[in-house]
Amino acid sequence: EDQVTQSPEALRLQEGESSSLNCSYTVSGLRGLFWYRQDPGKGPEFLFTLYSAGEEKEKERLKATLTKKESFLHITAPKPEDSATYLCAPKGQFYFGTGTSLTVIP
Amino acid sequence: GAGVSQSPSNKVTEKGKDVELRCDPISGHTALYWYRQSLGQGLEFLIYFQGNSAPDKSGLPSDRFSAERTGGSVSTLTIQRTQQEDSAVYLCASSPSGGTPGELFFGEGSRLTVL
Repeated sequence: EDQVTQSPEALRLQEGESSSLNCSYTVSGLRGLFWYRQDPGKGPEFLFTLYSAGEEKEKERLKATLTKKESFLHITAPKPEDSATYLCAPKGQFYFGTGTSLTVIP
Repeated sequence: GAGVSQSPSNKVTEKGKDVELRCDPISGHTALYWYRQSLGQGLEFLIYFQGNSAPDKSGLPSDRFSAERTGGSVSTLTIQRTQQEDSAVYLCASSPSGGTPGELFFGEGSRLTVL
C-alpha cells in the first residue's frame, strides 16, 4: 500500500540549531515529491518540488533533498519565524503526510 | 487578490442544518481540490475537479457531502444535515496543471463548527 510517513511528529529547536525533517515513502512509480509549510490557521504553502533521486532545492534556510525512498528537509540556523508544520506529498497523489510540527525557540 | 479565496472564513451551525462553502480559485487554474483538516489532524482529500471532466469524488466521507464547480471556476462544497464530526477546517486548493495532482495553491480555509 502506498504511504508517506513523516518524522519526527514534533521538533523543538533552539534558534540557530540546525536539524532535518524526514519524509519516507512507499509509493510505486513515484514521480516526484512536494514539500509544503503550514502556519496555524492557514492553508499549506508550497515550498519545493523534487522530481528525481539526487535532486536538491534550496530556499533561504531550507534545503530539500530526495533519495529513492525518502526526502529530507534540512533547516540551517533556524529562526523563530520558521516555526510551522511541514508537510510532504507525493506528486500525482491526493494524500499528504501527517506533518512535522517545528517550533524554534528564541 | 491573486490567491485562492474561500468564504465564509468561519461558520457556526446547528446539527442537522445544511451548509455551503465557497471557493474561488486562482484565475486560469484548471484543477480544483477540496480537503478537510480536523483539529490537530492531517489533510483529508475530499474531491478533485479537472476542467470539464467528471470529478473524482473518492474522498467524500458520505452522501451528505457534495460539490460542484460552475463554469470551470468557482466551486461550492455542500454538507447536508451536518453532524458534530463534520466540524473541521475545509481547505480549497487550485493548480495550474491538469492530469495528476501538481503543485497546489491553498486558500485560508473555512472553519466549520457544528454545535
